[in-house]
Amino acid sequence: KQEVTQIPAALSVPEGENLVLNCSFTDSAIYNLQWFRQDPGKGLTSLLLIQSSQREQTSGRLNASLDKSSGRSTLYIAASQPGDSATYLCAVRDSNYQLIWGAGTKLIIKP
Amino acid sequence: DGGITQSPKYLFRKEGQNVTLSCEQNLNHDAMYWYRQDPGQGLRLIYYSQIVNDFQKGDIAEGYSVSREKKESFPLTVTSAQKNPTAFYLCASSPLTGGEEAFFGQGTRLTVV
Repeated sequence: KQEVTQIPAALSVPEGENLVLNCSFTDSAIYNLQWFRQDPGKGLTSLLLIQSSQREQTSGRLNASLDKSSGRSTLYIAASQPGDSATYLCAVRDSNYQLIWGAGTKLIIKP
Repeated sequence: DGGITQSPKYLFRKEGQNVTLSCEQNLNHDAMYWYRQDPGQGLRLIYYSQIVNDFQKGDIAEGYSVSREKKESFPLTVTSAQKNPTAFYLCASSPLTGGEEAFFGQGTRLTVV
């Protein structure tokens, strides 16, 4: 059974720092991996989608990598800003087309 | 604008009452999903549907029911059999292919009073 783990559960860093969020999964048979952002009391906003055949995707200050063989993905945030404070969730789409979720990393960027 | 609309944003339920959460999408997606989110936990799948008039139970379907009479709509009913319904409910949709991204509504917060 596919399991997704996100470490750390919470992270607090000063503004301006570069940071990395981690996501690991147990079964490499995935279609894609998606990173989402969730603000308190809000729905999920898709940040980046990496297909199983891709190694990374970039959008602005965000870069997501995927290493299927090791079951790992990282979300790199460059030059962090207070507006980046949110919970970041990763999900893999498994062989049954289902999304399997991590519990998220709560990120706080201190001004 | 294309997207997913959930309503209401906040919902209060009395003990023993059934309530229905609405989810509508205009993205022409075949698949729709309902998730429950509790503090500090990942999203848990309640029900999903890949085609009109068909739906499948997820991991925590007990105490919930759904219908899919139209491609655009996937309402969720929280029945009185759900003993701990207070949570944040999220609806999502995606094309029925493995490589496409999922889109989410803004959520409904349900509270038992």
